[in-house]
Amino acid sequence: DAKTTQPPSMDCAEGRAANLPCNHSTISGNEYVYWYRQIHSQGPQYIIHGLKNNETNEMASLIITEDRKSSTLILPHATLRDTAVYYCIALNAGNNRKLIWGLGTSLAVNP
Amino acid sequence: EAGVAQSPRYKIIEKRQSVAFWCNPISGHATLYWYQQILGQGPKLLIQFQNNGVVDDSQLPKDRFSAERLKGVDSTLKIQPAKLEDSAVYLCASSRRGSARVNSPLHFGNGTRLTVT
Repeated sequence: DAKTTQPPSMDCAEGRAANLPCNHSTISGNEYVYWYRQIHSQGPQYIIHGLKNNETNEMASLIITEDRKSSTLILPHATLRDTAVYYCIALNAGNNRKLIWGLGTSLAVNP
Repeated sequence: EAGVAQSPRYKIIEKRQSVAFWCNPISGHATLYWYQQILGQGPKLLIQFQNNGVVDDSQLPKDRFSAERLKGVDSTLKIQPAKLEDSAVYLCASSRRGSARVNSPLHFGNGTRLTVT
């Protein structure tokens, strides 16, 4: 599975868009990009995933570059409740898939 | 739907004692996972069950850790004897389909925070 690289921390003003980058330059053709987040003292929460196309759901948008070497998770209107650690994971679609968690990005949404 | 339930929420034990954690996954979820999360790190998979069979336990320290999932529903994770380095949050997760299904996100419980003194 490809390794992902994320900035250790980011800040965002409440109400503004939060753009969280992830680098996965060694990603292979059958590896999906998954995003989870973990709010303090809670278990991780699934946000979104994608393969090649951009994806959007009620929580966020995922923008994947054409070469698939990087992606950006966008929280369109960040709130204080979005303060969390955000994990970007490249996941092989094969039979032995296993989520390999890095250190993630600690996002602080400020009032 | 009800989420993944774990108990206890917190546990403090002395080294060399034993401890057990319990997990009730989301109803109908075939796959169950136990993760260990040390402070400041991402979760690390300990064991994965598909129904009541083990799919992956390659990172489970089998000399002291054991897990079972009787009847393919609830699961328990045990540590005996505990060491100081076992202090961590133990997370249980479940997913609807098996490991080959990419589009089956994991649903996590809030974990058990274990402190070994």
